[in-house]
Amino acid sequence: GAVVSQHPSWVICKSGTSVKIECRSLDFQATTMFWYRQFPKQSLMLMATSNEGSKATYEQGVEKDKFLINHASLTLSTLTVTSAHPEDSSFYICSARGAGHTEAFFGQGTRLTVV
Amino acid sequence: GENVEQHPSTLSVQEGDSAVIKCTYSDSASNYFPWYKQELGKRPQLIIDIRSNVGEKKDQRIAVTLNKTAKHFSLHITETQPEDSAVYFCAAGIDSWGKLQFGSGTQVVVTP
Repeated sequence: GAVVSQHPSWVICKSGTSVKIECRSLDFQATTMFWYRQFPKQSLMLMATSNEGSKATYEQGVEKDKFLINHASLTLSTLTVTSAHPEDSSFYICSARGAGHTEAFFGQGTRLTVV
Repeated sequence: GENVEQHPSTLSVQEGDSAVIKCTYSDSASNYFPWYKQELGKRPQLIIDIRSNVGEKKDQRIAVTLNKTAKHFSLHITETQPEDSAVYFCAAGIDSWGKLQFGSGTQVVVTP
């Protein structure tokens, strides 16, 4: 299968600071990337969908000014959690899909802890 | 939008027995139904998927069935092994869009 790499795998930051998470498709061009959030022992909640070169589409209830998504190239999307607070602590995971493919491949996830 | 419900939330089975997980979906436009296995702290891995033009699909010990009329689909694992222990998620979406809504997950524990 295709490889999607997410970085960092874990990060601890202070309340009020911003954190950037990268999602890269290593061996295919990802026309669409998806960002999910997963709380412990819970399901994956879709936050937003991003297509290369265009603005992300956010799911209802997700603050677009707080969770900034950029998909500037066919191999890289970034999620920036701005002014992070302890309630933003979670497991963030991306998936990427190439043109003409149905299956989306997941990154390994980023565990964010805001202290 | 799509809403996916998954049952049971936990499932304990003896090694060698079968495990069945059931999901329902709400959006009749959904035509793609993947199942993912997620081990603790790791990424979800696609184990099998089915499209709405097929009623059943099998891959070795894993099978998925789909009832479009009733809007439900199920995962069947036969001859379970300890390494099958994980959280399993169903999902539903429209394959041309790629966006998936996930079920709440089922923690499967296979005891030797």
